[in-house]
Amino acid sequence: ELKVEQNPLFLSMQEEKNYTIYCNYSTTSDRLYWYRQDPGKSLESLFVLLSNGAVKQEGRLMASLDTKARLSTLHITAAVHDLSATYFCAVESNFGNEKLTFGTGTRLTIIP
Amino acid sequence: DVKVTQSSRYLVKRTGEKVFLECVQDMDHENMFWYRQDPGLGLRLIYFSYDVKMKEKGDIPEGYSVSREKKERFSLILESASTNQTSMYLCASSTRDTEAFFGQGTRLTVV
Repeated sequence: ELKVEQNPLFLSMQEEKNYTIYCNYSTTSDRLYWYRQDPGKSLESLFVLLSNGAVKQEGRLMASLDTKARLSTLHITAAVHDLSATYFCAVESNFGNEKLTFGTGTRLTIIP
Repeated sequence: DVKVTQSSRYLVKRTGEKVFLECVQDMDHENMFWYRQDPGLGLRLIYFSYDVKMKEKGDIPEGYSVSREKKERFSLILESASTNQTSMYLCASSTRDTEAFFGQGTRLTVV
């Protein structure tokens, strides 16, 4: 059974600081996704990582995937307030169907 | 743009009622999913479907059933609603080559 763990669960950080969210998963996979969720809203796709060593960047967010370590990171550079949200990673099993298993999410709060 | 539309944003139902949550997608995606989201538990998969009339149980199927009679529509059914099914329900669709796209969510309260 595929398990996905994110840490930290909660993160408060000051503006202009850097930080990383970690996503570990338990079985072989080479497809990993990052989503953002604002309070009361649905999930918005941020990044799709499809191979070992994949790196994607959008603004102050950068995501990477190490399939050998079964680890993905979401790095935040020089945080700004509008990045406050909950971030989820989701992993697609290599075996058979395309269902996603989600981590529990990281609630990020950027403090001015 | 992919659009996944859930029929209701908010629903209040009584214990024991039969509840239907509807989801429609307009991008001809093969895969459709129903998740529930609860604080501290993330998203948990209830059921998914990879083709018309096909369905597979997810991680927490008990108390739920689904129907997919047409490719664009995936319905979640609570046969007899209970208070522990109060939650946010999220529908999603995808293909082999895309990420999952989510609907706006339905916040269901069972009283």
